[in-house]
Amino acid sequence: DQQVKQNSPSLSVQEGRISILNCDYTNSMFDYFLWYKKYPAEGPTFLISISSIKDKNEDGRFTVFLNKSAKHLSLHIVPSQPGDSAVYFCAASSSGNTPLVFGKGTRLSVIA
Amino acid sequence: EPEVTQTPSHQVTQMGQEVILRCVPISNHLYFYWYRQILGQKVEFLVSFYNNEISEKSEIFDDQFSVERPDGSNFTLKIRSTKLEDSAMYFCASSELRQGDFYGYTFGSGTRLTVV
Repeated sequence: DQQVKQNSPSLSVQEGRISILNCDYTNSMFDYFLWYKKYPAEGPTFLISISSIKDKNEDGRFTVFLNKSAKHLSLHIVPSQPGDSAVYFCAASSSGNTPLVFGKGTRLSVIA
Repeated sequence: EPEVTQTPSHQVTQMGQEVILRCVPISNHLYFYWYRQILGQKVEFLVSFYNNEISEKSEIFDDQFSVERPDGSNFTLKIRSTKLEDSAMYFCASSELRQGDFYGYTFGSGTRLTVV
């Protein structure tokens, strides 16, 4: 039962362009959504989050968009940099009730 | 910046042996978690711990698994009799607030467990 789905296992983008990572969820009780970045041999690190009362949250080069009716969120990175190359995990939670549920991740490669 | 520390970074064990994975969460955090990631799969929740007791556990966290906070700083995951399918990267995480109050968890670098 994949409650959080990241359907693209990998994505390749040129440096300076926009990277768009997508995530779908099935549980309508989820009301917090997060993106984590993971480098090899390291644990996931928190990147950005959004609550269900918003449809957009921005932090520097990173913007997360939430479409509740479509149960879809996306992470935009612009401009993409080689240091952004990592695995990106989408995660979701229903407030106060469930631990984070993660997707399988998308490996982003930013090519110089 | 405060870190979650996990030891060892890599553990190889024989099937049927007991292993203990160790974690030192961030000192002012109150909520602790274990997750695992089998190679190529998603990061899966195992257990959450608050106020010296398990607050939630997944169906993966069966009788072979246990957690303990023995001394107020360490947080351990024990697997009593390891199976080949327990081979995975195990991540410890901690958070200051409950999962619904969100700024995310802080994860450790993980322990790669290999059962042979």
